[in-house]
Amino acid sequence: SQQGEEDPQALSIQEGENATMNCSYKTSINNLQWYRQNSGRGLVHLILIRSNEREKHSGRLRVTLDTSKKSSSLLITASRAADTASYFCATDAWGWSEYGNKLVFGAGTILRVKS
Amino acid sequence: NAGVTQTPKFQVLKTGQSMTLQCAQDMNHNSMYWYRQDPGMGLRLIYYSASEGTTDKGEVPNGYNVSRLNKREFSLRLESAAPSQTSVYFCASSESGKSYNEQFFGPGTRLTVL
Repeated sequence: SQQGEEDPQALSIQEGENATMNCSYKTSINNLQWYRQNSGRGLVHLILIRSNEREKHSGRLRVTLDTSKKSSSLLITASRAADTASYFCATDAWGWSEYGNKLVFGAGTILRVKS
Repeated sequence: NAGVTQTPKFQVLKTGQSMTLQCAQDMNHNSMYWYRQDPGMGLRLIYYSASEGTTDKGEVPNGYNVSRLNKREFSLRLESAAPSQTSVYFCASSESGKSYNEQFFGPGTRLTVL
């Protein structure tokens, strides 16, 4: 079963608007990462947030982490058509001893930015 | 640097045929991974190699075998392909197996099993 679950499954916005995607997970984690996947391509790492961090920024990206709620959010500000992609959260499987520290990916949010 | 490369890009097999998916990285990474991605699902780990000379099962290893040929190369073999193995396969690598290391992905192999 997947550790992370993204919400919403799909999101369509206008260029210039902000896009927010959420990720919930089940077990305690050390780190949470966000990845982007353009259509027909491999995943590209966006940002990592550690379990002792609450917020992190990278350019137009803002990630928050609430370990008490076991959830994270990815905010993309001033979206562009080029942001159209699928976005995945990935958690380590701490406490899920079968997989040790390997990453477990959610099903992703499909973001479409209309120009 | 090419990063992570995968061959072939596309493949169509008949049920029962075998094939090997090739993956290579030029980043001197220790850890390598094979995932499969199915519609509406995230990536699921098939096998991984924490370091040269070691391999271990992931979440969905049945029907697959792997070989870590050297530090650069990690291949995935389907011995007797089944329609359920129709998927997009991604190879990835990271500096180590620690979860704070980002993973670098190849472009994927789209496999159809008829």
